[in-house]
Amino acid sequence: EAQVTQNPRYLITVTGKKLTVTCSQNMNHEYMSWYRQDPGLGLRQIYYSMNVEVTDKGDVPEGYKVSRKEKRNFPLILESPSPNQTSLYFCASSTVRGAKNIQYFGAGTRLSVL
Amino acid sequence: KQEVTQIPAALSVPEGENLVLNCSFTDSAIYNLQWFRQDPGKGLTSLLLIQSSQREQTSGRLNASLDKSSGRSTLYIAASQPGDSATYLCAVPGSNDYKLSFGAGTTVTVRA
Repeated sequence: EAQVTQNPRYLITVTGKKLTVTCSQNMNHEYMSWYRQDPGLGLRQIYYSMNVEVTDKGDVPEGYKVSRKEKRNFPLILESPSPNQTSLYFCASSTVRGAKNIQYFGAGTRLSVL
Repeated sequence: KQEVTQIPAALSVPEGENLVLNCSFTDSAIYNLQWFRQDPGKGLTSLLLIQSSQREQTSGRLNASLDKSSGRSTLYIAASQPGDSATYLCAVPGSNDYKLSFGAGTTVTVRA
């Protein structure tokens, strides 16, 4: 079954404690992306990757890091989380030409930073 | 910068009524527009992708129209059912192939 898998689904942490949210897709997609969703603001893009070892900033990259060492994986790293990063996070993937093609989303990760 | 707006933010209708969801965007030079459905605790599911050259796209009870010149798209859901209760979002690609701009969504409740 074609899918995008995020882990963990729920996470409560404290300010400053480094964390990683994993994202994996089994569709051999070139393009992967991370979004955060906040009430009233919609989804905002954090980072995206066009292919292995190629990443770029989205609209709200501050406080986040990503890496793309393998085609299937695109982890999101918060090196020093702060309360304003409390949000619902989604990973998405698509074929070449990224945002212009149908997007496949993971189920989301709800993060609370205390 | 592309701005995407969805009005209303929430909508409640009795079962059987037709739903009309609106999406507007500020830059009419879009490549396409996607409509998504979001269920609580689940990710987003792509419902329809309408190309800029199309005026409308249909899938079952869903019909999406696109008017690039006025910067608007409308999602129609015929004969609504309680299972249609969800949040519906629209999105358009940005200035390159890799950025997608979303509206804040319309939360729909269909009452049995």
